[in-house]
Amino acid sequence: EAQVTQNPRYLITVTGKKLTVTCSQNMNHEYMSWYRQDPGLGLRQIYYSMNVEVTDKGDVPEGYKVSRKEKRNFPLILESPSPNQTSLYFCASSRNGGQGGELFFGEGSRLTVL
Amino acid sequence: KNQVEQSPQSLIILEGKNCTLQCNYTVSPFSNLRWYKQDTGRGPVSLTIMTFSENTKSNGRYTATLDADTKQSSLHITASQLSDSASYICVVSARGGYNKLIFGAGTRLAVHP
Repeated sequence: EAQVTQNPRYLITVTGKKLTVTCSQNMNHEYMSWYRQDPGLGLRQIYYSMNVEVTDKGDVPEGYKVSRKEKRNFPLILESPSPNQTSLYFCASSRNGGQGGELFFGEGSRLTVL
Repeated sequence: KNQVEQSPQSLIILEGKNCTLQCNYTVSPFSNLRWYKQDTGRGPVSLTIMTFSENTKSNGRYTATLDADTKQSSLHITASQLSDSASYICVVSARGGYNKLIFGAGTRLAVHP
């Protein structure tokens, strides 16, 4: 079954404690992306990757890091989380970004930073 | 500035009724427009993708229209069901590079029995 898998689905952490949210896709997609979703706002892009070792900033990259060492994995790293990073995070993948291929989303990771 | 605006922000309808959600965009140059359905706490799921040359596209009881001249799209839901209760997100892709996706804030639809 084609899917994007995120872990953990729920996480409560404290300010400053480094954490990683993993994302894996099994569709051999070249494009992967991270978004955050906050109440009343649309999905906002954090980082995206066009292929292995190719990543770039989205609209709200501050406080986040990513890596793309393998095609299937695209982890999101919060080196020193702060309360304003409390949000619902989604990973997504597609064949070719916004060029027309369907964008598949994971189930989301709800992060709370105390 | 590339923007996508959706209306209404929220909507309540009775089961079995039809409804129409609106999406206006200022994205240029335009590549394609997508509608997604997002159940509460879940990831968005694609309903339709339309390119410049497509005026209408259906997916079951969901019908999307696109007017590229006025930069407007609508999503019509026919004979609504309780399971249609969700947020509906309009996403427009700007041509160029990897074709950036610009997301609307969504319309939250509640279908009551």
